[in-house]
Amino acid sequence: DAGITQSPRYKITETGRQVTLMCHQTWSHSYMFWYRQDLGHGLRLIYYSAAADITDKGEVPDGYVVSRSKTENFPLTLESATRSQTSVYFCASSRDYASTDTQYFGPGTRLTVL
Amino acid sequence: GNSVTQMEGPVTLSEEAFLTINCTYTATGYPSLFWYVQYPGEGLQLLLKATKADDKGSNKGFEATYRKETTSFHLEKGSVQVSDSAVYFCALSPQGAQKLVFGQGTRLTINP
Repeated sequence: DAGITQSPRYKITETGRQVTLMCHQTWSHSYMFWYRQDLGHGLRLIYYSAAADITDKGEVPDGYVVSRSKTENFPLTLESATRSQTSVYFCASSRDYASTDTQYFGPGTRLTVL
Repeated sequence: GNSVTQMEGPVTLSEEAFLTINCTYTATGYPSLFWYVQYPGEGLQLLLKATKADDKGSNKGFEATYRKETTSFHLEKGSVQVSDSAVYFCALSPQGAQKLVFGQGTRLTINP
């Protein structure tokens, strides 16, 4: 049972380049989420998705694009990377949208924008 | 709006010491409350949760009680181990929504 995986685990890129971070889950969970983790801020929600082809903005969506053509995949794209997007990115999934449900997190992608 | 405030870290304790990490929240209605733990180099994993007032979540010797009157969800453990060294995040999910709001995290180091 692979669970939830992210790739790449580490990425270094340059300002202005496009970068795509991948997230894949094997549980057939309906909901998927992208967070960024920065010192002093905990984790902040970037985008989330309720199902294939249904996405919505979170707290910090500017500069990011998501898509969800298949239930199991939820890629996050930085269309033109900036230094302020240097961060650790976590993907998560949950079975349900109830506030009581648990989110399961991937191992994270550490992105450095030079 | 919704927010979570955790005690400032880092926290350093000796093995077998008593642990408390304070967490308070601001939210309307009845949020669900969570503690997640992040071990070095890994993603977050759920430690415990409580979904209504006065509920106590517990796991691996850790406990936290949902106190609506004080809007708190403090994490406690009676005797910590070196293996408990990690970053601990308090979080809430607003009533009717699965959108986690996290505190800033508390780094815990346990010395043998």
